Amino acid sequence: DQQVKQNSPSLSVQEGRISILNCDYTNSMFDYFLWYKKYPAEGPTFLISISSIKDKNEDGRFTVFLNKSAKHLSLHIVPSQPGDSAVYFCAAISNSGGSNYKLTFGKGTLLTVNP
Amino acid sequence: KAGVTQTPRYLIKTRGQQVTLSCSPISGHRSVSWYQQTPGQGLQFLFEYFSETQRNKGNFPGRFSGRQFSNSRSEMNVSTLELGDSALYLCASSLVGDQGYNEQFFGPGTRLTVL
Repeated sequence: DQQVKQNSPSLSVQEGRISILNCDYTNSMFDYFLWYKKYPAEGPTFLISISSIKDKNEDGRFTVFLNKSAKHLSLHIVPSQPGDSAVYFCAAISNSGGSNYKLTFGKGTLLTVNP
Repeated sequence: KAGVTQTPRYLIKTRGQQVTLSCSPISGHRSVSWYQQTPGQGLQFLFEYFSETQRNKGNFPGRFSGRQFSNSRSEMNVSTLELGDSALYLCASSLVGDQGYNEQFFGPGTRLTVL
């Protein structure tokens, strides 16, 4: 049973426009959420995170929104740049205040930003 | 500071063989986690080690095992390889603090192909 779902395998946007990547989760115990970016032949790199006590976190061009009641989070990239083209993974963790280091990942969304 | 390193980067094995993959964490990081990435299942958690002890384990068969050494370096072993074990195996390391989530830093992965 997949606990973190990214229902869009791919997304294509024009440079300068907004990219919105979505993620849904089913486990109510998740209390910390992260987005990772992955280029081919490299490991995932951390992008941005949000705690379940917040509904928004912003870092430069990247903003993550969390809707706990809907068990939904989204990553907004504004403006999108060609260098943002990569696979984006949504991940979640439960008991983030303890020593639980198990990340549960979605299957990823391939973002292509066209010049 | 050097990142997480994984060796070898590429590996080809045949069914029934066994394989050992190695991971050197970032200096000072004492937690090491392993993940399997496949096109169909995405990134799945294998196990996590801290102070030479396995703290967390994912839903993988006993053919998948690991260990951690006193210098925090870790190895994972897969015995009796199956075609379905072909995947990118990622290692991630993190600091261990008293509270809160500590970011996991990923290595570039080992691409295992089972023929």
